[in-house]
Amino acid sequence: DTAVSQTPKYLVTQMGNDKSIKCEQNLGHDTMYWYKQDSKKFLKIMFSYNNKELIINETVPNRFSPKSPDKAHLNLHINSLELGDSAVYFCASSQGRTGIFYGYTFGSGTRLTVV
Amino acid sequence: LAKTTQPISMDSYEGQEVNITCSHNNIATNDYITWYQQFPSQGPRFIIQGYKTKVTNEVASLFIPADRKSSTLSLPRVSLSDTAVYYCLVGDYGQNFVFGPGTRLSVLP
Repeated sequence: DTAVSQTPKYLVTQMGNDKSIKCEQNLGHDTMYWYKQDSKKFLKIMFSYNNKELIINETVPNRFSPKSPDKAHLNLHINSLELGDSAVYFCASSQGRTGIFYGYTFGSGTRLTVV
Repeated sequence: LAKTTQPISMDSYEGQEVNITCSHNNIATNDYITWYQQFPSQGPRFIIQGYKTKVTNEVASLFIPADRKSSTLSLPRVSLSDTAVYYCLVGDYGQNFVFGPGTRLSVLP
């Protein structure tokens, strides 16, 4: 019974396409996140939602749009994909408003490859 | 967020104790120190968190000196399955982490 599940696990697509990644958590956490891990293994926060409200929106191209239909789901839609978008995208959740005090629970990641 | 510095990689043999040290010279009074572990093709997993002195759980121990400018994650008697990347993170409530490149630990038979 996976705590944070994201689909798909792998995504290969052509430049210019639009794609979505879905995330669901069954932990009852209030906050969900999208992180991007680049080739150098830096894991950077992109967005954070607390009870369906956007609370963090880092400097991310507006081609990336998160959507939270309820507090258990946070999807990521990416328009007009570019080669530089290739990375592993992680969904995460936390009990508190941030992950520092109570810790993050991460999904297993979606490896996006843009060709 | 306090900047952290940790070794890029370490090698160890099965059964040994492994100590990974992280430097965080500009740690603030309200900052906590947290370590995460990441296996290939998985997201990071919380290991341990502390504020000062020593914290121990079933997985690891965390040693923090009085000045809190560094911390050491100690993994007792590592096995091959402990091969992973270990991240040291420092921050206070109200912030979110930026995970650096971490320390890639390779456990050899």
